[in-house]
Amino acid sequence: AQSVTQPDIHITVSEGASLELRCNYSYGATPYLFWYVQSPGQGLQLLLKYFSGDTLVQGIKGFEAEFKRSQSSFNLRKPSVHWSDAAEYFCAVAPLSGGYNKLIFGAGTRLAVHP
Amino acid sequence: DVKVTQSSRYLVKRTGEKVFLECVQDMDHENMFWYRQDPGLGLRLIYFSYDVKMKEKGDIPEGYSVSREKKERFSLILESASTNQTSMYLCASSPSLTAYSNQPQHFGDGTRLSIL
Repeated sequence: AQSVTQPDIHITVSEGASLELRCNYSYGATPYLFWYVQSPGQGLQLLLKYFSGDTLVQGIKGFEAEFKRSQSSFNLRKPSVHWSDAAEYFCAVAPLSGGYNKLIFGAGTRLAVHP
Repeated sequence: DVKVTQSSRYLVKRTGEKVFLECVQDMDHENMFWYRQDPGLGLRLIYFSYDVKMKEKGDIPEGYSVSREKKERFSLILESASTNQTSMYLCASSPSLTAYSNQPQHFGDGTRLSIL
């Protein structure tokens, strides 16, 4: 069955430190890949997406993600975290043959930022 | 910018009530989705619709139904609310797609529903 795993439920970093959030997917072919962020009390905002081509994709708010086919991973990174980055982050995949743009979400990683 | 509006941010209902959650999008998107979000489980798809009056079950449709009479509006209905339906509900929309489309979903701010 298709699945998305975010191994870290909670992560705490200091402001200014680098960040990497992990995401692994289980699927027969490379799906479309997404990272969304949810600030407290808000809906989900798209950070970035990967469909094909360059495996390093740039997103909003200084985030980037790297697709590694051999590891079935799509990890999210940011070189220097700001206090406003504290939020919950969701990795999602859309199978190519799923139709209707159905998304499968990971359980999420909650990020806390210490001053 | 795409705007997906959910009619209520917070809602409190009683067990056994029929509950309606409303969602409206302003970008003429064909596809609309309802998810529920629970801690540790991420988002799970309840129902989606790819056209007016068309609907498909998602992963957890039991206890829910949907209605899409107009393209911009997608309603989630809890036929007889139960306490295990206390959750955050998120609506999303996206443009029409082929099997190889690449349009992301756009989300509303969510409705936090409590069933007492």
